[in-house]
Order: sequence, then structure tokens, then C-alpha cells
Amino acid sequence: QKEVEQNSGPLSVPEGAIASLNCTYSDRVSQSFFWYRQYSGKSPELIMSIYSNGDKEDGRFTAQLNKASQYVSLLIRDSQPSDSATYLCAVRRNQGAQKLVFGQGTRLTINP
Amino acid sequence: DAGITQSPRYKITETGRQVTLMCHQTWSHSYMFWYRQDLGHGLRLIYYSAAADITDKGEVSDGYVVSRSKTENFPLTLESATRSQTSVYFCASSELEETQYFGPGTRLLVL
Repeated sequence: QKEVEQNSGPLSVPEGAIASLNCTYSDRVSQSFFWYRQYSGKSPELIMSIYSNGDKEDGRFTAQLNKASQYVSLLIRDSQPSDSATYLCAVRRNQGAQKLVFGQGTRLTINP
Repeated sequence: DAGITQSPRYKITETGRQVTLMCHQTWSHSYMFWYRQDLGHGLRLIYYSAAADITDKGEVSDGYVVSRSKTENFPLTLESATRSQTSVYFCASSELEETQYFGPGTRLLVL
């Protein structure tokens, strides 16, 4: 079992709809969770981080964390074609650790 | 300009040759990282460094060597390149428990 798992997609969503991206992790001691967006041929950029159970909203993006179920998700509301990218879930095990473990990424396509 | 840069951006080499990929950051971040990205594997950590002269292996370190004599530089060397090392290499930097910022990447092709 991979430490961080994502559905590789592609996930196709119509413009204006909600895109839902999911990630599960295997290590229960994981403390910090991150969503990176990566456009084709570019480097990853951080869009959301979440540390506590529940929801965290930033503009059109909402990250959801459920530590009991070892599950983190990213919702993108009012999806735009510019949201088409690969979304990488990353997990950091504990406070003081710097290493991130990445999932393989989910490719998202927003259809106009 | 401030930020993190990588050079070269593209490199073609032959099996058995030594290759060095450069990474330079201007933020004075303590931590620096090297990842490789391959289809189906996402980003995998090769090596990381907590400070100058402090380095440690990641999950795919075989065949790679790093050094960090200065805080701002973190070169990655492939001692004897193999075709399996064809990949996109990303360097990243961060402060403790802060966001990792990625460089633009180096595309390496080993023939």
C-alpha cells in the first residue's frame, strides 16, 4: 500500500461545477496535509494546507480533513478551465519533520 | 531576482557519464530538497538537507550524490547516469515547518 494514494484520473468536470479531489494516507501519525497544483510542464505550487480536522476555505478552494478516516480532499467550486492541472496531495508526518510524501497526483480537466 | 533556480533546464547525456544538476535559492532557507517526477510515481524524494553540510537520503537515493557547502546551493550529481534516471528533477526549499517552494525543474534524458 502506498503511503499517500490518489486516483490518477483523468477527472473531467464541466465548467462551473464542483471538482472533488480525494487523497488517502496510511500513516496515522501524519499531522500536516497539503494540496499542490501543477500545470503541464511547470513546477508544483502550493494552493492549500490543512492541519486540523474539518474544513478550510480559501476563495473557491476548500480542503477537508478527516484524520479518523485518514482522508483529505480538495473541493474546487465554480470550476474554471484555468483549474485544469494535476493536483498533488502531500503529507508531512509530524511536527518538526520537513519531509513531504506525495501522492501520484490527479489530473483534472475542466470542460468549457 | 529572489527565488529558486535550477540549471540546466534541459540536459541530454549518455549512459555512464557524470551529470550535475544545480539548484540555487536566494531566500536563505535552511531546508533544501531534490525530487524526481516520473509518470505514475508522482514526486519522490532523492535527498534533502537541513543546513549546510547536513544531508540525508530520501526514498530513491541510489546512484545520486549531493553536497551543500553553502546554504544557498544544493547540487545533485548522478555519478554514472543510467537510462532509469531519465526524469524531471525538481529542487525545493523551505524553512522549518513552512511551505516548500519548488524550482522550475530540469528535464534530463539519458541515452
